[in-house]
Amino acid sequence: AQSVAQPEDQVNVAEGNPLTVKCTYSVSGNPYLFWYVQYPNRGLQFLLKYITGDNLVKGSYGFEAEFNKSQTSFHLKKPSALVSDSALYFCAVRDNAGNNRKLIWGLGTSLGVNP
Amino acid sequence: DAGVTQSPTHLIKTRGQQVTLRCSPKSGHDTVSWYQQALGQGPQFIFQYYEEEERQRGNFPDRFSGHQFPNYSSELNVNALLLGDSALYLCASSYLGTDRNTEAFFGQGTRLTVV
Repeated sequence: AQSVAQPEDQVNVAEGNPLTVKCTYSVSGNPYLFWYVQYPNRGLQFLLKYITGDNLVKGSYGFEAEFNKSQTSFHLKKPSALVSDSALYFCAVRDNAGNNRKLIWGLGTSLGVNP
Repeated sequence: DAGVTQSPTHLIKTRGQQVTLRCSPKSGHDTVSWYQQALGQGPQFIFQYYEEEERQRGNFPDRFSGHQFPNYSSELNVNALLLGDSALYLCASSYLGTDRNTEAFFGQGTRLTVV
């Protein structure tokens, strides 16, 4: 069965420091992996995706993520955090077998960036 | 280019009532998915529509139904509302076509409160 785990409910970092938000997944086929960000009472905004190719994916707002097939991980990273990065981050996976287009979501990680 | 639009933004209903939520997909998108997001939780997949048919369904009761129109817009209907149906309902659009890699774009959501 497909699943996504975000092992940390909350991550806190100081502004200017690097940040990492962790995500691991389980799918039967090849994964399509996504990161989204959600601000309070708002919809989800797409940050980046991994479909194929380079394991390091660069996305919006300076975020990047590294796909690690052996560890089945897709951790979100940013070299220097901003206070405005404080939000809820969701990892999602889709098994690309057949016409399956259902995204499976993690429970989210709340990121707090302190000034 | 308008993104995904949802209406209404907020709604208050009484237990037992019925509700209809609406979604217009991003221009060029032909697939609409609906998600329920309870407070503090990740999105839960309700169902997905493509070519005016329900293609996939999550673990939701038959009280949840939907429709997709020829212009790709969609409605989510919930009958016999329960207090537990209170949540943020998110619509996401994507393009199936010949490219199955595209990410989903989300609307701002409809906040449904059942009293």
